[in-house]
Formats: sequence, structure tokens, C-alpha cells
Amino acid sequence: AQSVSQHNHHVILSEAASLELGCNYSYGGTVNLFWYVQYPGQHLQLLLKYFSGDPLVKGIKGFEAEFIKSKFSFNLRKPSVQWSDTAEYFCAVIGGGADGLTFGKGTHLIIQP
Amino acid sequence: DAGVIQSPRHEVTEMGQEVTLRCKPISGHDYLFWYRQTMMRGLELLIYFNNNVPIDDSGMPEDRFSAKMPNASFSTLKIQPSEPRDSAVYFCASSLTGTYGYTFGSGTRLTVV
Repeated sequence: AQSVSQHNHHVILSEAASLELGCNYSYGGTVNLFWYVQYPGQHLQLLLKYFSGDPLVKGIKGFEAEFIKSKFSFNLRKPSVQWSDTAEYFCAVIGGGADGLTFGKGTHLIIQP
Repeated sequence: DAGVIQSPRHEVTEMGQEVTLRCKPISGHDYLFWYRQTMMRGLELLIYFNNNVPIDDSGMPEDRFSAKMPNASFSTLKIQPSEPRDSAVYFCASSLTGTYGYTFGSGTRLTVV
């Protein structure tokens, strides 16, 4: 079974700082990778996804992520964060068929004005 | 499309009572997933259905939990009897193919006292 590790449980940044959230997965086969965001009191929303092709994928709200197969990583980045980016961010993977998304524990991001 | 609809949004019940959570997936989506979110364990897949048939219920924590999908537009997750450790946010999600990004409902926040 696959697993997902998010190394940073809590991150605090100032507005305009650059962001990188780490994500590593364990499954060795073909994977589909996702980042979801959960704003306070809301449901999960898809930020971006990777299935194949260009390993640098761009999502909504200025976020991007890079798939590095050799490192089993799919890190999320944003060059300049805003206060409104305060939320919980989840990395997720599907591997080996449609058996449900496996999520990391999440990273709680706080942006200070 | 109204998205994935869950009810109720909040549920407070006493230990030992039966609790039923409801989900209406997006029309045309063949896959439906139930997740539980807690601070300690993050997002856990409980069970998922394909074309109304339960495919994998290995995430269901105990026999007190049961889920049904009597038709393509409705699913329930039942806990009987409920216990305080069942307190969590329960999310339902649906997907067209099961391998692409899912659409999540707003969740049901369950509190068992």
C-alpha cells in the first residue's frame, strides 16, 4: 500500500515570502499525484494534479508542483504567498488503480500580514 | 452542478446513539468515497463504492460502522452505537473514473458526547 509523507506539519510565513511544502510518497509504480487545499471550515479543493508529461505542473492561485520520480517527491511551491493562502494543504496519491486517494497528514500554513 | 452534497453539516449525539450521515454524489460519477478526518490520523479512507457496489471497506474501523449505496445518487454511513472516539469530520467524495481528482462534499462534523 502506498503512503504519503508531508514533512512540515506547521509552517508560518510572512506575506510575499516564497513557499515550498514537501511531499514524498512510497509507491514505486505509476502514480497520480495531487495537492488539495482546505480553507478553515471548508471542504477540500483541488489545487493541482499530475498524471503524466511535464513534471512541472501549474495549478490554481499561482501554485505549482514539481514531480521528481527519482526522489518520489511532489513538492508544492508558490513564489509569493498571500494572507488568503492560510489553510491546510494535503498531498495525495493514487497508485495501482482506482483504490482511493491516500493523503498525507497535511501541512497547516499560516501567513502573517 | 451543486457538487457533492452532505447532510447534516453538524451532528451532536450522545454516546450509544445511532448516527446516520448522508451523501449525494455528483450525477454521473461512478465512484463514491467516504473519508474520516481527525487531528491525530488525518484523512483516512473508510470505504468506497463503484457503481453502487462496495469495493473496499478495509478502512472501516469496526463493525459499528456500516455504509450503503442503494442507488447512484445516495449513500449513507451509519455508526451504531456511536462512541466519543468517533468524533471527527466525515467527508464524502465522488469521482468520474476513480483515478482522477475527486470532488469533496462540505463534510459532516460529528461530535459524540
